[in-house]
Amino acid sequence: DGGITQSPKYLFRKEGQNVTLSCEQNLNHDAMYWYRQDPGQGLRLIYYSQIVNDFQKGDIAEGYSVSREKKESFPLTVTSAQKNPTAFYLCASKGSSGVGMNTEAFFGQGTRLTVV
Amino acid sequence: AQSVAQPEDQVNVAEGNPLTVKCTYSVSGNPYLFWYVQYPNRGLQFLLKYITGDNLVKGSYGFEAEFNKSQTSFHLKKPSALVSDSALYFCAVRDPPGGNTPLVFGKGTRLSVIA
Repeated sequence: DGGITQSPKYLFRKEGQNVTLSCEQNLNHDAMYWYRQDPGQGLRLIYYSQIVNDFQKGDIAEGYSVSREKKESFPLTVTSAQKNPTAFYLCASKGSSGVGMNTEAFFGQGTRLTVV
Repeated sequence: AQSVAQPEDQVNVAEGNPLTVKCTYSVSGNPYLFWYVQYPNRGLQFLLKYITGDNLVKGSYGFEAEFNKSQTSFHLKKPSALVSDSALYFCAVRDPPGGNTPLVFGKGTRLSVIA
C-alpha cells in the first residue's frame, strides 16, 4: 500500500534526551513536512523539505533538527533544547506536478511524544 | 502573510440536521483552500479542496464547501449530519498556491453530532 508511515506511534523521552521520530513515504513525493499539534493551537510547521538534501525552517524550528538524505525519508530529531516537547507530531508529504494537480498533502498517523 | 481563522472551537448539531463549520482566510492572491478531518489520535484525512472554477466543491463522505471570494470564506457543509462525523476539522490554505509551499492551518473546530 502507498502511504506515509510514522514510527513509533507513542514515544516517551526523559528530560535532557534527544529522540528521533521516523517518517517514511512510498508515494514518490518530493516535498515533506513536519507539524506539531497541541490542543487548541492547530498545526504549527516545524520544518519542511522540497527536495532531497534541502530543508527550510518553519514557524517553530527551535529545538528541532531534520535531515533529508533520501527522498523517502524525513526524520525529525527533538533535541534537549526543546523546552516543551510533549505534543502530537504529524508528518506529511506532497507530490509535485502541474497546476491543479497534486495539490493536497497526505498525512501520516502521527507520533505522540511525552516527556517523563 | 496568509492566515486562516476558524471562529468556532466547538460546533454541536443533532443527527440528521445540516451542519456548517466556518472558515475565513486572509491571503494576498488567489489561494488554494483545503478541509481536513482528524479522528482521535490519528493523522489528518483530506476531505476536499478549492483550486479554481465552481465555487461549490464536493468532497468525501458527503461534505461540500462553498468558496466565497467577496467574504473570503470557505465554509464546510453537509446536508444531514451523522454521529460518525464527530471529529476535529481543520481548514487550511496554501499561498502562493502552486509549488510545495506548506499549508497553513486554522486552529480546528470540534464537531459533535448528537444522536
